[in-house]
Amino acid sequence: DAGVIQSPRHEVTEMGQEVTLRCKPISGHNSLFWYRQTMMRGLELLIYFNNNVPIDDSGMPEDRFSAKMPNASFSTLKIQPSEPRDSAVYFCASSPPGLDTGELFFGEGSRLTVL
Amino acid sequence: LAKTTQPISMDSYEGQEVNITCSHNNIATNDYITWYQQFPSQGPRFIIQGYKTKVTNEVASLFIPADRKSSTLSLPRVSLSDTAVYYCLVGKRYNNNDMRFGAGTRLTVKP
Repeated sequence: DAGVIQSPRHEVTEMGQEVTLRCKPISGHNSLFWYRQTMMRGLELLIYFNNNVPIDDSGMPEDRFSAKMPNASFSTLKIQPSEPRDSAVYFCASSPPGLDTGELFFGEGSRLTVL
Repeated sequence: LAKTTQPISMDSYEGQEVNITCSHNNIATNDYITWYQQFPSQGPRFIIQGYKTKVTNEVASLFIPADRKSSTLSLPRVSLSDTAVYYCLVGKRYNNNDMRFGAGTRLTVKP
């Protein structure tokens, strides 16, 4: 049973470049979350989708960040242009329907380094 | 939004029972309490969830007093592999604010 799949696992890029992170949620899950984790700020919720619709993007740092979920099995988080302060581990998580409590299932993360 | 407060860090030794307490004074009537575990270089992993009294699974126990203003995660007979960060979350899934993680408790198990 495949879990949440994220790609790439590691990315090193230079400041100003566009970065696209990808996530495939667990089949049948209808909620998807993007988080960012750094030593300084901990685990931050960036955006939350429910049934492919963005519900709250108030955690997205600024206009350089954008997220899409074109269908139930795929989501992207894009940073354009990237900056060194965007260096972090980005996690995607999904959650099944039918439960108010909503256990989150996390991917292994994408470690981004912006030089 | 039910805010949680946990100790920043705890130390223990192999074989001991570890209890991590989370305070959530503003918990709402229909809020659940969920604990996650995160190892280095991995995403958080669900451990246990409860609403009241006591919940036990193969990994841990969760104790919730009658007023529900706090909860205690109990890890029996910890091993070195239990060294991780433990997060307490309170709320409901459909309120995305409730899916926000605090600083967590960094547990270090020593030999």
